[in-house]
Amino acid sequence: QKEVEQNSGPLSVPEGAIASLNCTYSDRGSQSFFWYRQYSGKSPELIMFIYSNGDKEDGRFTAQLNKASQYVSLLIRDSQPSDSATYLCAAPLNSGGYQKVTFGIGTKLQVIP
Amino acid sequence: DGGITQSPKYLFRKEGQNVTLSCEQNLNHDAMYWYRQDPGQGLRLIYYSQIVNDFQKGDIAEGYSVSREKKESFPLTVTSAQKNPTAFYLCASRPTADPNYGYTFGSGTRLTVV
Repeated sequence: QKEVEQNSGPLSVPEGAIASLNCTYSDRGSQSFFWYRQYSGKSPELIMFIYSNGDKEDGRFTAQLNKASQYVSLLIRDSQPSDSATYLCAAPLNSGGYQKVTFGIGTKLQVIP
Repeated sequence: DGGITQSPKYLFRKEGQNVTLSCEQNLNHDAMYWYRQDPGQGLRLIYYSQIVNDFQKGDIAEGYSVSREKKESFPLTVTSAQKNPTAFYLCASRPTADPNYGYTFGSGTRLTVV
């Protein structure tokens, strides 16, 4: 079973700190990776995607990809209480010749004021 | 503004009843998807459509049906055969079925069996 795995948390960080969210995936053939933010009771929203090894920065968010180790992470700098949400990692995994997007269960982030 | 509209926001289903969840997009996207979200579980794919007049079963299609008669619309019917339909249902789309595109999600429909 090809999977995307995340720790469900909650991950608690103080306001202003760096939050580090991690995700591992089982399909070495996966090429692209996505991070979605989901506030409680709301639908997911795409916040980052990354295709290449290394770092990709967008404002306070940095996505990191290491294909050799099969993990992708999301760093949130200067965490704010408004960042409190569940963060879903997603990757297309090969399923019977079709690249099916598979989601992790999400990591709940709590930013403490 | 472009986006995906799901309706209704809340839906209550009686035992043995079929209900239909609406999903409409004005993003001109070819590919549309239905996911189900349950507490403590990741999103699970119900059905997907890569192009109008074509759709495929996902991982948990039993008890569900869809149609894709128009590019903009991808309604999901939850039939009485679905024994545990209480969940948060999410419709999503992307420009094509190319997995390098991320999803745009609708606001979701919360279905409860009463």
